Amino acid sequence: KAGVTQTPRYLIKTRGQQVTLSCSPISGHRSVSWYQQTPGQGLQFLFEYFSETQRNKGNFPGRFSGRQFSNSRSEMNVSTLELGDSALYLCASRLADSYNEQFFGPGTRLTVL
Amino acid sequence: DQQVKQNSPSLSVQEGRISILNCDYTNSMFDYFLWYKKYPAEGPTFLISISSIKDKNEDGRFTVFLNKSAKHLSLHIVPSQPGDSAVYFCAASAGTSYDKVIFGPGTSLSVIP
Repeated sequence: KAGVTQTPRYLIKTRGQQVTLSCSPISGHRSVSWYQQTPGQGLQFLFEYFSETQRNKGNFPGRFSGRQFSNSRSEMNVSTLELGDSALYLCASRLADSYNEQFFGPGTRLTVL
Repeated sequence: DQQVKQNSPSLSVQEGRISILNCDYTNSMFDYFLWYKKYPAEGPTFLISISSIKDKNEDGRFTVFLNKSAKHLSLHIVPSQPGDSAVYFCAASAGTSYDKVIFGPGTSLSVIP
């Protein structure tokens, strides 16, 4: 079974631009969560989507948004990029509400210049 | 204010010896704890977890100890192998919803052959 895939793997943008990241969950998984990882900060929860609906949201500004499609694929959008948005963005999918069944993708490394 | 702390950014251990990774938390409402391992260019993978009703959980070479009174948990790897070299994230949760999971900043473990 294929794992969680994220595209693109690397991205370089400039301040003020907007970016869209994509995540394809494991087949059959309906929950997709997004995290931001920065050095020294661990993984910060952005939001979770389940069956095309945002189910939970972390403490991030409105510039960060997401959506989920009927095939469970998810996209994350960041508008008006700031230097501090440079990070590794991780997507994770899961089948059931069980912590140890959450599977992470390899991440998208975003650099904002 | 970090609710989950991993005060050692890095740790080096000889192959065959014990690796001990530490994690401290501040929120007494946390009742479920997890450890994830992350290799470069890959997403984190679930390693082991422990509920607050236990003080020890073991899975092969990996054992997690929980000291609730000290708000401290540790991951022991015995014996350590070069393939264990990775970043280890401690995470804690208060409740069943995944947006309540708080990750620590991680500890980079190097196992020297």
